[in-house]
Amino acid sequence: QVTLKESGPALVKPTQTLTLTCTFSGFSLSTSGMRVSWIRQPPGKALEWLARIDWDDDKFYSTSLKTRLTISKDTSKNQVVLTMTNMDPVDTATYYCARIHPAGALDYWGQGTLVTVSS
Amino acid sequence: DIQMTQSPSSLSASVGDRVTITCRASQSISSYLNWYQQKPGKAPKLLIYAASSLQSGVPSRFSGSGSGTDFTLTISSLQPEDFATYYCQQSYSSPYSFGQGTKLEIK
Repeated sequence: QVTLKESGPALVKPTQTLTLTCTFSGFSLSTSGMRVSWIRQPPGKALEWLARIDWDDDKFYSTSLKTRLTISKDTSKNQVVLTMTNMDPVDTATYYCARIHPAGALDYWGQGTLVTVSS
Repeated sequence: DIQMTQSPSSLSASVGDRVTITCRASQSISSYLNWYQQKPGKAPKLLIYAASSLQSGVPSRFSGSGSGTDFTLTISSLQPEDFATYYCQQSYSSPYSFGQGTKLEIK
């Protein structure tokens, strides 16, 4: 059974760095072909793809956010970590992590974690 | 980056109706197109992957078609639980991008 769960602060101040952790079970990121993504959704708005990390440590980022994002993995802990620097109120959103199916679709999602950026 | 455009942005329909949502990519993405359903306060749920493959457990009234740049999601007979927002997403090349969503409402 595949599960993912996001954790991190619910509130961050402008200019701070956000660190989110995705803890998963039911698969291993050391297995060839496995990949995990982060996606976010501002309140009432559309989904926005943020980043991806692969089993071989390849990393990919949103073009508009790449200077602020870092994705990493700890395979021994079954965790993927996303950091986003210089947070702004427009970054207020629910942040999701999801497993990537071999065909590229996001087949299992976490429940999401709402992050509010406010002073 | 590949841009994904869905139409319509919103749609009103009745239970039992046949509904079609379209998604267009800014360049060819072969069949690397996925569809998701999202209900308020919930994570998205994968419905269709690789343009036309039904995800396990998804009712057969959902179907997808298309290749290249133009794709459709069809719901053959709307059920009450189908009223939600639908998103397309390309997985042809990173950054993987989503459409802006189509909100399906009860008429």
